[in-house]
Amino acid sequence: DAKTTQPPSMDCAEGRAANLPCNHSTISGNEYVYWYRQIHSQGPQYIIHGLKNNETNEMASLIITEDRKSSTLILPHATLRDTAVYYCIVSDFNKFYFGSGTKLNVKP
Amino acid sequence: SAVISQKPSRDICQRGTSLTIQCQVDSQVTMMFWYRQQPGQSLTLIATANQGSEATYESGFVIDKFPISRPNLTFSTLTVSNMSPEDSSIYLCSVTWQASGALHFGNGTRLTVT
Repeated sequence: DAKTTQPPSMDCAEGRAANLPCNHSTISGNEYVYWYRQIHSQGPQYIIHGLKNNETNEMASLIITEDRKSSTLILPHATLRDTAVYYCIVSDFNKFYFGSGTKLNVKP
Repeated sequence: SAVISQKPSRDICQRGTSLTIQCQVDSQVTMMFWYRQQPGQSLTLIATANQGSEATYESGFVIDKFPISRPNLTFSTLTVSNMSPEDSSIYLCSVTWQASGALHFGNGTRLTVT
C-alpha cells in the first residue's frame, strides 16, 4: 500500500518554480524516495530519487528533510509541458506502490 | 536507456475472452512488475513477475484471473482472463535494473472490454 500523502492538485505559473510536497512519515531506513510523473495516459516517467541527501538532475531537485518524513520535488522553471500527475513513492527496490499523486497545472 | 516494448498497444475485446499482453526488454532486468490503471485512477500493482517461478500477486489479484509468465530476464506476459467490462484499463509493464533501482515503464496496453 502507498505510504505517501500528496495534495491532490496544485497550480503553478509558467516560468516559476513548482514545489511539490510529499509526506512519508512511516518511511523505513532502507527505503528511498522516488518521484515520477505521468502525462496523459503515457507510462509514468522517472524523475529523481534519493535516500537522505538532496539530489539534483537535469529535470528537478529533490529536497528530503533531515528526519526523512517528508520531501519536496522542485521543478525550477515550470513549462506548460510539465503539466502532469506527479507521484511520490517510497520503496526499498522490491515493491513500488503508487498513491493518488498531485495534478500539477502549469498556467501561462 | 533500455527499451521496454509492450504489445499490443491497445485492443478491444469481447466479454468472456482472454488477452495476453507481452513485455519485452532489450536488456536483462532485475525485477519485472505488472500494473493496472483504471480510468481516472492511479496505478495499482498487480504482481511481481518472477523468473522461472510463479508470480507474486498483490491482495485482490489472483493467478486464475491474471496468469503471468516470465521465462527469462527480458520477457514477461500478463493474461487477462475471462474478461468483463470492469477489466477495461491500461495495463503497464515495468522493470528495474539493480544499478539504478528506479522503476521504468513501457507505454502500456489500453484494453477495452465490450
